[in-house]
Amino acid sequence: DAKTTQPPSMDCAEGRAANLPCNHSTISGNEYVYWYRQIHSQGPQYIIHGLKNNETNEMASLIITEDRKSSTLILPHATLRDTAVYYCIAAPGKYNQGGKLIFGQGTELSVKP
Amino acid sequence: NAGVTQTPKFRVLKTGQSMTLLCAQDMNHEYMYWYRQDPGMGLRLIHYSVGEGTTAKGEVPDGYNVSRLKKQNFLLGLESAAPSQTSVYFCASTQDGSYNEQFFGPGTRLTVL
Repeated sequence: DAKTTQPPSMDCAEGRAANLPCNHSTISGNEYVYWYRQIHSQGPQYIIHGLKNNETNEMASLIITEDRKSSTLILPHATLRDTAVYYCIAAPGKYNQGGKLIFGQGTELSVKP
Repeated sequence: NAGVTQTPKFRVLKTGQSMTLLCAQDMNHEYMYWYRQDPGMGLRLIHYSVGEGTTAKGEVPDGYNVSRLKKQNFLLGLESAAPSQTSVYFCASTQDGSYNEQFFGPGTRLTVL
């Protein structure tokens, strides 16, 4: 699985957009980009995933560069409840190696009033 | 639906003692996983199962055993606990090995003295 690099921490003002970057320069053609988050002491929560097109759901938007070497997770209107560690994971899609997720250290996002 | 549940929530062991952590899911998922999370680090995969009666090793399997006798349950065993196994243990499940969305339990906090 491709390795991902994320900044260790970021701050964001409440109500503003939070833009979390992720570098995955060695990603291969069959690998998706997945985002999970972990609110303090809880189990991780799935947010969004994509292959090469930009994606949006009720939680966030995912922007993937054309060369697929980096991506950005966007929380459009961050709230205090979005304070969490955000994990970017590059991994193959379905039916590959048992669906294992390889977590890195993630980005600790602090949303401030 | 309760989703993914873990028993117990907290446990303190002495070195050399044994114990079993139980993970149960009521979503009829095929794939189940055990992760550990140490302070300040991402999750690391211990063992996983792609269906009833099957198990496979993850990144850090040493010192642990698992069993999947029933589809809804995935047991993690520590035969002889060591202080290095002090950690938070998370269980997860997914329908078909897709990375789309793994559902995580609330975690078990284990301390080995």
